[in-house]
Amino acid sequence: LAKTTQPISMDSYEGQEVNITCSHNNIATNDYITWYQQFPSQGPRFIIQGYKTKVTNEVASLFIPADRKSSTLSLPRVSLSDTAVYYCLVVSHGSGNTGKLIFGQGTTLQVKP
Amino acid sequence: DAGITQSPRHKVTETGTPVTLRCHQTENHRYMYWYRQDPGHGLRLIHYSYGVKDTDKGEVSDGYSVSRSKTEDFLLTLESATSSQTSVYFCAIRGTGTSLSSEQYFGPGTRLTVT
Repeated sequence: LAKTTQPISMDSYEGQEVNITCSHNNIATNDYITWYQQFPSQGPRFIIQGYKTKVTNEVASLFIPADRKSSTLSLPRVSLSDTAVYYCLVVSHGSGNTGKLIFGQGTTLQVKP
Repeated sequence: DAGITQSPRHKVTETGTPVTLRCHQTENHRYMYWYRQDPGHGLRLIHYSYGVKDTDKGEVSDGYSVSRSKTEDFLLTLESATSSQTSVYFCAIRGTGTSLSSEQYFGPGTRLTVT
């Protein structure tokens, strides 16, 4: 499974756009990029998934360049409630996929008033 | 929220005692997973199941066993608890209807302390 690297922590202010970049140099053809969010004392929550270019949902956008060796999670106009740990994962969707997730240490986002 | 519960939510036990954690789902999902979360390590996969009586090891399976006798329940057992197994344990589920999705639903977690 491709290893991911992301910043340990980030600070932002309410109303700003936050971009968290993740590198995954060894991503394979069958791999998808997935992001999870975790609040204190809760389990992780799926945010978004993509394979290439751009994906957008009601929570975030995910930008993936053509070489797929990195990706950027974009959170528009963050609020205090967006303070959480954000995990970037690379997940194989090849044959025999068991859905195992490999979590790194994630990026702790602190949103300030 | 997905119908997934864990019990107990908190437990304190002594070294050497057996402990069983239960994960229960009402979604009839095929895949179930057990993770542990420790400071500085993120979440690590212990065991997972891809069907009734079908289980396999994750990256940190030593000292743990699992069982799945019916679709809705996935049990994690610590045969002889050690202090290194003090952790927060999360159960997760994933259906196969969305085979291209990496979306897993996580339970609320069980905080286990081994003294």
